[in-house]
Amino acid sequence: RKEVEQDPGPFNVPEGATVAFNCTYSNSASQSFFWYRQDCRKEPKLLMSVYSSGNEDGRFTAQLNRASQYISLLIRDSKLSDSATYLCVVPGPTFGRGTSLIVHP
Amino acid sequence: EAGVVQSPRYKIIEKKQPVAFWCNPISGHNTLYWYRQNLGQGPELLIRYENEEAVDDSQLPKDRFSAERLKGVDSTLKIQPAELGDSAVYLCASSALRALGNGYTFGSGTRLTVV
Repeated sequence: RKEVEQDPGPFNVPEGATVAFNCTYSNSASQSFFWYRQDCRKEPKLLMSVYSSGNEDGRFTAQLNRASQYISLLIRDSKLSDSATYLCVVPGPTFGRGTSLIVHP
Repeated sequence: EAGVVQSPRYKIIEKKQPVAFWCNPISGHNTLYWYRQNLGQGPELLIRYENEEAVDDSQLPKDRFSAERLKGVDSTLKIQPAELGDSAVYLCASSALRALGNGYTFGSGTRLTVV
């Protein structure tokens, strides 16, 4: 099993939709998890940290499920500007391959 | 505060030639990472430094790749000789020790094309 697996998408959703991404990991000792956003031809940028208790920042919610070894990212009320690739990160640090999100009018 | 600085931004070289990338991390960040990112893939860790010590270089192709971080600040990644398959974006990142809640900060990367 790969250290981290992520559905590459693309997820094609209309503005205002709610979309969720999951990422599974294999190292049960993992401690620090993150979601990054990467725009085309740009470097990855930190979107949010992920905690067992959940982490919410405006329209974005990140969750960690240690028992099932996955992390999730929920985006509510999608905006055109949310179109990007979303990368999950597990300790290593190891990045997932990224999930492409396209928000259309 | 200045972010992670990388140079050059772009490099085009012929195969079998050497190439070097430079990275200056965020001031005070003990940990420095070099990643390679191919199109449509996530960044792949090549080497991780804590201060001047390479603590994880298991994914670094040591036959042609080398890296150094002599004074625990700036770092250089070298490829000699380059192969066509080395074409990718090389990203440098830094973090405070163990990152904790603050994650990793990336530089803009060096886009390498080997022809």
